[in-house]
Order: sequence, then structure tokens, then C-alpha cells
Amino acid sequence: NAGVTQTPKFQVLKTGQSMTLQCAQDMNHNSMYWYRQDPGMGLRLIYYSASEGTTDKGEVPNGYNVSRLNKREFSLRLESAAPSQTSVYFCASSDRDRVRRGYTFGSGTRLTVV
Amino acid sequence: EDQVTQSPEALRLQEGESSSLNCSYTVSGLRGLFWYRQDPGKGPEFLFTLYSAGEEKEKERLKATLTKKESFLHITAPKPEDSATYLCAVQAASSGGSYIPTFGRGTSLIVHP
Repeated sequence: NAGVTQTPKFQVLKTGQSMTLQCAQDMNHNSMYWYRQDPGMGLRLIYYSASEGTTDKGEVPNGYNVSRLNKREFSLRLESAAPSQTSVYFCASSDRDRVRRGYTFGSGTRLTVV
Repeated sequence: EDQVTQSPEALRLQEGESSSLNCSYTVSGLRGLFWYRQDPGKGPEFLFTLYSAGEEKEKERLKATLTKKESFLHITAPKPEDSATYLCAVQAASSGGSYIPTFGRGTSLIVHP
């Protein structure tokens, strides 16, 4: 099915470990995003990539890095995981020229840092 | 600063009991207001985009309306399968060329059979 694919779906890390969350979309969208969702906080933007070759910080970028590998793929890296990064992470994509269609979200990665 | 407030935080309805969810916003120049549905353990799913006051969109039992200060998501004769969290997001002219919307915290809807 066309859409946004995130891997892994679940992950448990120890404090200080690193990991990369992968995201790929097959809709030829220009823009891609990483959000985290915490109870009572809603969706908060971590980083986004308006187009291939560009990345920008969102609302909560500290402790994260991103790579827009190509038009399809946008990865999120935690260099040294902290318990405060326990959250559900969503990748999304959108067509910059068709904003009325909204975002397409992946199914999420549930990350626990112990 | 752009703000989006959704109310109520949670809503319990009996099957067939119609109601409305509210999304109030404060932005500098509205580009678009979006409604999403999110099922437990899944990512948000796009429902509607509204652009100007007076605009309405419908999909099955859902109808979204927009004024200059708020949007309503009306649910007519809901069924248990309408149970989900409904998210509102606002895209403002103040976001420049990034088109990044601001999301509300959502309304959790439970429809009892």
C-alpha cells in the first residue's frame, strides 16, 4: 500500500545508547517531517525537510539529528538516548504544492528509554 | 504566537447521540485548518481541509465547519467505530514558506453501543 513506512515499530533503549529511526514514503512528496507525541502534549515537530537536500529545526530539536537521504527517505537519529525521549515518534510527508491534502503519517515508532 | 485549543479533552457519547468538537485558534492569517482522526496505536489520518470562514466539508457522519475564530467537527448519529482521537491543525501565513501547521492536543471521543 502507498504511504509512509516507519521502522522499527517498537524499541527499548538504555540511557546513552544511540539509534536511528527510519522513514520512507512512496508518494513522491517533497516534504517530510518528524514528530513526537506525548500524553497531554499533542504532536510536536522535531525536524522537517521542506525538500530534498534541506532540513530545519522544529519546536523540539534538542537531542536529535536528521538526514534527508533522498526524496523518499528521512531518518531521525538519537545520539545519546535519555529517558525524556521516551515517546511515540511519527514520520509524515506532504506535497508542498498540494497542501490542501494535508499530511500522510506513518504508523509510528514507540520508543522507551530506560 | 499561533495557538490552537481543542475542547473538550474527552467526550463520551451513546451511539446515536450527536455532538460537536471544537477547535479554536489564534493565528496571523489563516492558510488552512485541518482535521485528522487518530486511532489507538496508529498515526493520524487526514479528514478535511478548510480555508475560509463559512466553508463546510462532509464525510459520512462527520461535518466540519469554519468561522474566523474556530472550527467545529459535528458528529451526527455516531457509531462505536467513530471512537478515536480527533486532531485539529492550523496553518498560518506567519509560518512563512515552511507551511508547518500547529496541532492542537486533540479530543478523545468514545462512543458507547
